[in-house]
Amino acid sequence: AQSVTQLDSQVPVFEEAPVELRCNYSSSVSVYLFWYVQYPNQGLQLLLKYLSGSTLVKGINGFEAEFNKSQTSFHLRKPSVHISDTAEYFCAVSDPRRQKLVFGQGTRLTINP
Amino acid sequence: GAGVSQSPSNKVTEKGKDVELRCDPISGHTALYWYRQSLGQGLEFLIYFQGNSAPDKSGLPSDRFSAERTGGSVSTLTIQRTQQEDSAVYLCASSLVRGLGETQYFGPGTRLLVL
Repeated sequence: AQSVTQLDSQVPVFEEAPVELRCNYSSSVSVYLFWYVQYPNQGLQLLLKYLSGSTLVKGINGFEAEFNKSQTSFHLRKPSVHISDTAEYFCAVSDPRRQKLVFGQGTRLTINP
Repeated sequence: GAGVSQSPSNKVTEKGKDVELRCDPISGHTALYWYRQSLGQGLEFLIYFQGNSAPDKSGLPSDRFSAERTGGSVSTLTIQRTQQEDSAVYLCASSLVRGLGETQYFGPGTRLLVL
């Protein structure tokens, strides 16, 4: 079985500052990794995903994430955040043999002007 | 093009009543998923459809929960004899094929409140 831990439930940052949202996972098999964003009162939108290949993955809205197999981590980063990045961010894994996503508890990113 | 749509957007019901939640996936998407998002449990997988069959129902919390999909398109999640702990946002997602790492596209959800 897989599990995902998002180490911070809330992250406040100032506008134009860099941000890192941390994600660690546990799995006995290789997994695919995802970051989704949920804006207020909306569904989830895919930011980026790692399937294989380069461990640095670039996504939409200037976000990127790095897969680290030895540390079982998939941290999300953005060099300069904007007010519009205020949202909840979910890290997820999927077992290649199955279809479901297993999500972390989410990190609420709050941007202060 | 049109995304995943869900109806109703909000549903308030009384304990013990049955409810039906509807999901319209993106046209041509063969895989469909239901998830539940609640304060205490976060985002949980409920059931997955490939076409009209459900190879994975492992997330359904009890036999009060059932789902079906017809015509390889619309899906309905039914909760019988609702309980207060069923209050949550029910999210539907679809993906193009049953592919490895295929992106799941989510609808806006149905917010269910059981009084």
